[in-house]
Amino acid sequence: QIQLQESGPGLVNPSGTLSLTCTVYSDSITSGHWWSWVRQPPGKGLEWIAEIYLGGNTNYNPSLKSRVSISLDMSKNQLSLKLSSVTAADTAVYYCARHSVDWGYAFDIWGRGTMVAVSS
Amino acid sequence: QSALTQPPSVSGSPGQSVTISCTGTSSDVGSYNRVSWYQQPPGTAPKLMIYEVTYRPSGVPDRFSGSKSGNTASLTISGLQAEDEADYYCSSYTSSSSYVFGTGTKVTVL
Repeated sequence: QIQLQESGPGLVNPSGTLSLTCTVYSDSITSGHWWSWVRQPPGKGLEWIAEIYLGGNTNYNPSLKSRVSISLDMSKNQLSLKLSSVTAADTAVYYCARHSVDWGYAFDIWGRGTMVAVSS
Repeated sequence: QSALTQPPSVSGSPGQSVTISCTGTSSDVGSYNRVSWYQQPPGTAPKLMIYEVTYRPSGVPDRFSGSKSGNTASLTISGLQAEDEADYYCSSYTSSSSYVFGTGTKVTVL
């Protein structure tokens, strides 16, 4: 059963950099799928952040592009997210998700999410 | 990019049908069939319910159906059940090679 697990610090200082990792179990990040990060502020809706494909192909949310970096670590079967110059508005549950090549690139597998608070 | 527009809430009695609209633009919903729908009960991760406008992944009940007309996609839940109570989000691919989600709709089973 394919599982995604996010990890990272639960608290980040304002103006600092948020760094998260997503470990993929029972699938390979080189299996031909795109992988994304999605976030959800408390009590609010979902916001797509970025996606990455084998070979380093990436796409970013235009509103976050200047602050976001996404990458793959094939040796650890992980994808990573870095978000710089964070403010309280970046407080959210952060999810990693797989795009299904069989199901129209929809987000078919999600991690459980990790809560990140931006506060001093 | 602006979020797709969904009604904040819809409700229905068990056995009834409810429809959730998802309105975008010609740069997203109107131009691509990569429209999908997600169910999110409180405190859980989203679950894929519909992909490519009308298709159901294996395991999703056939009372869930999707459609699209112009810039608006819709999700219909027929034969509403108590377990369907959750937040629902639409999503679309966009002309910026990105994805955008809807504002979310809370479905209440009366």
